[in-house]
Amino acid sequence: SAVISQKPSRDICQRGTSLTIQCQVDSQVTMMFWYRQQPGQSLTLIATANQGSEATYESGFVIDKFPISRPNLTFSTLTVSNMSPEDSSIYLCSVAVRYRSYEQYFGPGTRLTVT
Amino acid sequence: DQQVKQNSPSLSVQEGRISILNCDYTNSMFDYFLWYKKYPAEGPTFLISISSIKDKNEDGRFTVFLNKSAKHLSLHIVPSQPGDSAVYFCAARSLGRDDKIIFGKGTRLHILP
Repeated sequence: SAVISQKPSRDICQRGTSLTIQCQVDSQVTMMFWYRQQPGQSLTLIATANQGSEATYESGFVIDKFPISRPNLTFSTLTVSNMSPEDSSIYLCSVAVRYRSYEQYFGPGTRLTVT
Repeated sequence: DQQVKQNSPSLSVQEGRISILNCDYTNSMFDYFLWYKKYPAEGPTFLISISSIKDKNEDGRFTVFLNKSAKHLSLHIVPSQPGDSAVYFCAARSLGRDDKIIFGKGTRLHILP
């Protein structure tokens, strides 16, 4: 298993500003994912961030809005840019072992409220 | 288009009885099905999985059943305990470029004393 921490745990931000969320893993992992969970909804994959390559974004998510960095095998950041109230969600990072990519380990999440 | 559906938003079960959580899916190409458990203010934790080539997988009090012809899976918890009160997410892995996992909306399970 892996232990994952996220910073900040929660934040309240003004419309039009940006927030960078950090994800730290206690071991080296290849596969890292960023999810969003809007109120009452399922977890939706934003992008896959594998070290050594550019992040792969899912339909409906773009790099300009959600830039991702993956500088090494234990760390990643997700930025929510030019925020609007619709971006209010819980943002979660997760990691997986390649040969068992269905068994993902999640961080505690970052609860973002945009006013 | 919801590929993984959990039609019951919540379920209440007496402590000691069996909890059955249901899930339906639409994509025949899913190769693994999963259940995750989530407590408030925590991230989801992996609970149990089943390969699409099997129809049952058991791990202690947790058993997952897969009915491929009906595109249906269920999670059985026996006996139910107070610590089982949580939100349970059904999920499925779609093989592809990045092995994407698709989640249902979750079912909140309440274990009653």
